[in-house]
Amino acid sequence: GAVVSQHPSRVICKSGTSVKIECRSLDFQATTMFWYRQFPKKSLMLMATSNEGSKATYEQGVEKDKFLINHASLTLSTLTVTSAHPEDSSFYICSATKDFPREQYFGPGTRLTVT
Amino acid sequence: AQSVTQLDSQVPVFEEAPVELRCNYSSSVSVYLFWYVQYPNQGLQLLLKYLSGSTLVKGINGFEAEFNKSQTSFHLRKPSVHISDTAEYFCAVWGETSGSRLTFGEGTQLTVNP
Repeated sequence: GAVVSQHPSRVICKSGTSVKIECRSLDFQATTMFWYRQFPKKSLMLMATSNEGSKATYEQGVEKDKFLINHASLTLSTLTVTSAHPEDSSFYICSATKDFPREQYFGPGTRLTVT
Repeated sequence: AQSVTQLDSQVPVFEEAPVELRCNYSSSVSVYLFWYVQYPNQGLQLLLKYLSGSTLVKGINGFEAEFNKSQTSFHLRKPSVHISDTAEYFCAVWGETSGSRLTFGEGTQLTVNP
């Protein structure tokens, strides 16, 4: 089956710093990648949709200047949390697809803790 | 916009008992339906999906689900659960008005007790 990786799996950063999370599709070319945020005991909240070579589409209420998304190739998308604050602490999950909505493959998630 | 309701936030069962996790969605002419499982601190793994065809869908780990268009439901079932099935389960739907979004339910925590 298709595999999506995320790096790092866990990151702790100080308030005010920026942190980058990578999402890679390892064995397929993903036309679209999605970034989700998940709060404890809650469902997934879609943050943005990114297509290779074009600007990401952000969901309402998501600050695009704070959550920078770059989709540089068909196998890599990055999410940069800029000037992180403790309220940005969360579990971030990416997914990738080449045949949405028929299939979507999820990464293992990244636990971000801002101190 | 699509909506998904998972009727039970928590379902405790004993090992080897049958289980049903309920999912209802808002009506749409055509929908794709999915069930995902999430183990602690991990991403989502697809259990099964309904795209078209037979309304009874079989998935991994012995799970199955039935698409019921008249009741707009897609309940997940397993005849005999194991301790290892303890996890969070999410129902998700895509409809023709969804654009590029999957709509997820709030999740059901299945806890299998010995």
